[in-house]
Amino acid sequence: DAKTTQPTSMDCAEGRAANLPCNHSTISGNEYVYWYRQIHSQGPQYIIHGLKNNETNEMASLIITEDRKSSTLILPHATLRDTAVYYCIVRGHYDRGSTLGRLYFGRGTQLTVWP
Amino acid sequence: KAGVTQTPRYLIKTRGQQVTLSCSPISGHRSVSWYQQTPGQGLQFLFEYFSETQRNKGNFPGRFSGRQFSNSRSEMNVSTLELGDSALYLCASSVKQGLGEKLFFGSGTQLSVL
Repeated sequence: DAKTTQPTSMDCAEGRAANLPCNHSTISGNEYVYWYRQIHSQGPQYIIHGLKNNETNEMASLIITEDRKSSTLILPHATLRDTAVYYCIVRGHYDRGSTLGRLYFGRGTQLTVWP
Repeated sequence: KAGVTQTPRYLIKTRGQQVTLSCSPISGHRSVSWYQQTPGQGLQFLFEYFSETQRNKGNFPGRFSGRQFSNSRSEMNVSTLELGDSALYLCASSVKQGLGEKLFFGSGTQLSVL
């Protein structure tokens, strides 16, 4: 699985968009980009994942560059409850025989949303 | 649907003892994985089970073991506890989504070894 690089910390004003970058320059063609977040004292929470097209769900948007070497997670209207550590993870797609559940978490980005 | 349930939530043990942690996955999920989280090392993969078989194991000593039952519930065991085993132990169940997957984590068991 390819490694990722994220800033250690970021902050954002409540109500504004939070844009969290991630570099994954060694990503290979069959690897997905996943984002999880962990609020203090809780287990990580799945946010979104994508392969090459931009993705959007009720939580966030994921923008992946055309060369797939970097991506940005966008929280369109950050709230205080979005304060958490955000992990960008790259992992190969599931196929018969490969392993579900094994993810390599780096240190992530501590996002602080202030009022 | 109920989420991933881990018991107990907190546990205090002394060095040399052993401990068993329990995890009930989301109904219908057959894959269960375990992670250890410490301030120094972050989140580290322990092992993963699928249909009662260990599919993969992280780089942890043999004192760490686990198993999965026919109803997909899983337990992990740590024998001969060391101070460095103090950590948050997280269990996750996962489901395929297209060619990707989604992991659902429990709230964890906070283990303190004195």
